[in-house]
Amino acid sequence: KNEVEQSPQNLTAQEGEFITINCSYSVGISALHWLQQHPGGGIVSLFMLSSGKKKHGRLIATINIQEKHSSLHITASHPRDSAVYICAVKETSGSRLTFGEGTQLTVNP
Amino acid sequence: KAGVTQTPRYLIKTRGQQVTLSCSPISGHRSVSWYQQTPGQGLQFLFEYFSETQRNKGNFPGRFSGRQFSNSRSEMNVSTLELGDSALYLCASSLSWGTGELFFGEGSRLTVL
Repeated sequence: KNEVEQSPQNLTAQEGEFITINCSYSVGISALHWLQQHPGGGIVSLFMLSSGKKKHGRLIATINIQEKHSSLHITASHPRDSAVYICAVKETSGSRLTFGEGTQLTVNP
Repeated sequence: KAGVTQTPRYLIKTRGQQVTLSCSPISGHRSVSWYQQTPGQGLQFLFEYFSETQRNKGNFPGRFSGRQFSNSRSEMNVSTLELGDSALYLCASSLSWGTGELFFGEGSRLTVL
């Protein structure tokens, strides 16, 4: 079992839909990152969370430390949101970053 | 403010050769971390440097090494290349070690023939 599990692996949505991507982890963490990767490889950091909830534009990220679970929400999705979304956790032991397998999101117009 | 710069962007090597990749962090950032991304294994942590010292290392063989210079620029080296080393190598910088938002470079895509 991977230390970081994401679901779903693939997600197709229509423009305007509300999207949720989930991340569960099994290790103790000091922080959780949500990353976005477009075709071509470049990665952008969307959020870094250690508790609670953060919002940036149409993106919302939440984390529940007790349940070891985080969600990334996209409101009013747009075709330009199409990308791979990756959850990564910073482990408290060793402070290395461990990644989920990513969620491929496709938003159709 | 310039972003994280990785060079070269693309390179092709043959088995047995060695390769050196470079990463220039955002000005003022003192921590640089390196990652390998392959279709089969996804993203994996290689190592992290802060103040010219390796602070953390992932589960990679000794053929993978790195260093950081006094200006925070970092290099990673892979010796005796294997076909399985073909990957996108990404570096990220942050203000300090173990904390803070990560800023990624565009990556260096290595193909080993």
